Amino acid sequence: DTGVSQNPRHKITKRGQNVTFRCDPISEHNRLYWYRQTLGQGPEFLTYFQNEAQLEKSRLLSDRFSAERPKGSFSTLEIQRTEQGDSAMYLCASGGLADNEQFFGPGTRLTVL
Amino acid sequence: AQSVTQPDIHITVSEGASLELRCNYSYGATPYLFWYVQSPGQGLQLLLKYFSGDTLVQGIKGFEAEFKRSQSSFNLRKPSVHWSDAAEYFCAVGPGGGGNKLTFGTGTQLKVEL
Repeated sequence: DTGVSQNPRHKITKRGQNVTFRCDPISEHNRLYWYRQTLGQGPEFLTYFQNEAQLEKSRLLSDRFSAERPKGSFSTLEIQRTEQGDSAMYLCASGGLADNEQFFGPGTRLTVL
Repeated sequence: AQSVTQPDIHITVSEGASLELRCNYSYGATPYLFWYVQSPGQGLQLLLKYFSGDTLVQGIKGFEAEFKRSQSSFNLRKPSVHWSDAAEYFCAVGPGGGGNKLTFGTGTQLKVEL
């Protein structure tokens, strides 16, 4: 197992464009989390899946953000009509049901011009 | 609401010196506490965690942390810092039972002088 992977690692886009990020969790993990990290801050929770069910969403997740985990494996995070304020590192983490650890991927750095 | 305070934004220590990074949390019930380290361009790596039991927990890379309920603190320590420890360190709190979101502090940037 190679851990949590995220693609792409970097994304540069123009304001108003849509972007989609992918996260592949550790294969046996049921739980998957998305966080956003801006410069000088700690990660902030966005949303959480258990298997394919999205169980919690942060107020940070505006209507322009949508996340899916259709088969309970990989997940996608889409941002529609990107704004400069969306520029951040988007982190994915996964965890098992039996423990309380979250294992993080390397992140996708989004730059909105 | 749960929250985490890391009062030191930057800390500089000499290689070989001891280190203590401070973390204070606010949480209504028994928290799960974590320390993560992040190197430039990397994701977060778990150093150690506290769920229950012995309040002094050992982690990877020679780090340890002590849970003090009376002070709502979970400070990270290392007796002798190595140059490779230079990174950003995040304290996080999660609800007992896990499964849900972690709340992170704003981080402490550690610089190690040779």
